[in-house]
Amino acid sequence: EDQVTQSPEALRLQEGESSSLNCSYTVSGLRGLFWYRQDPGKGPEFLFTLYSAGEEKEKERLKATLTKKESFLHITAPKPEDSATYLCAVPPNYGGSQGNLIFGKGTKLSVKP
Amino acid sequence: DTGVSQDPRHKITKRGQNVTFRCDPISEHNRLYWYRQTLGQGPEFLTYFQNEAQLEKSRLLSDRFSAERPKGSFSTLEIQRTEQGDSAMYLCASSPAGIYEQYFGPGTRLTVT
Repeated sequence: EDQVTQSPEALRLQEGESSSLNCSYTVSGLRGLFWYRQDPGKGPEFLFTLYSAGEEKEKERLKATLTKKESFLHITAPKPEDSATYLCAVPPNYGGSQGNLIFGKGTKLSVKP
Repeated sequence: DTGVSQDPRHKITKRGQNVTFRCDPISEHNRLYWYRQTLGQGPEFLTYFQNEAQLEKSRLLSDRFSAERPKGSFSTLEIQRTEQGDSAMYLCASSPAGIYEQYFGPGTRLTVT
């Protein structure tokens, strides 16, 4: 069964304390890995797409990287406004699927000032 | 450019009642997706449309659920004979065809009492 597992479930950081979030997946023939940010009570906000191992994408304090079996979301010198749940997702690897996404449960990040 | 919009944002209903939600996608996007999200979980795929055609449905979509997208524009998701287990955030997303990056609306929070 295709799965996406994120760790840790929750992460508390002090402002300025860099760290990484992990997303591992079991889908073979990866057709993309997607990172989203979700604030409480809101819909997920698209951040990055990664397609191949070794690829990296950056946006402000966030950098996403991809290997053959996992992705990392690195947060450098985080600020309180980076507090949110970060979700990763992949398209499933079964015949006929045209684009629905399998999401992990997310990592809830809290950044204290 | 407006993003994906959903209406209503919140709905409280009594068990056994029918409810209908509306989603307006980004105007140039011909794919539209419905997901359900419960507390502490990532979004779970329900169904998706390409233009007016419903191309895929999850096993989560019981026969009490029906979705339509007349004329390939907005979509509605109806839940008949609601149950307490239907309480969740219902998310709508859209994308251009052939692109996996999905852009989400703010969601409709359903509470079944």
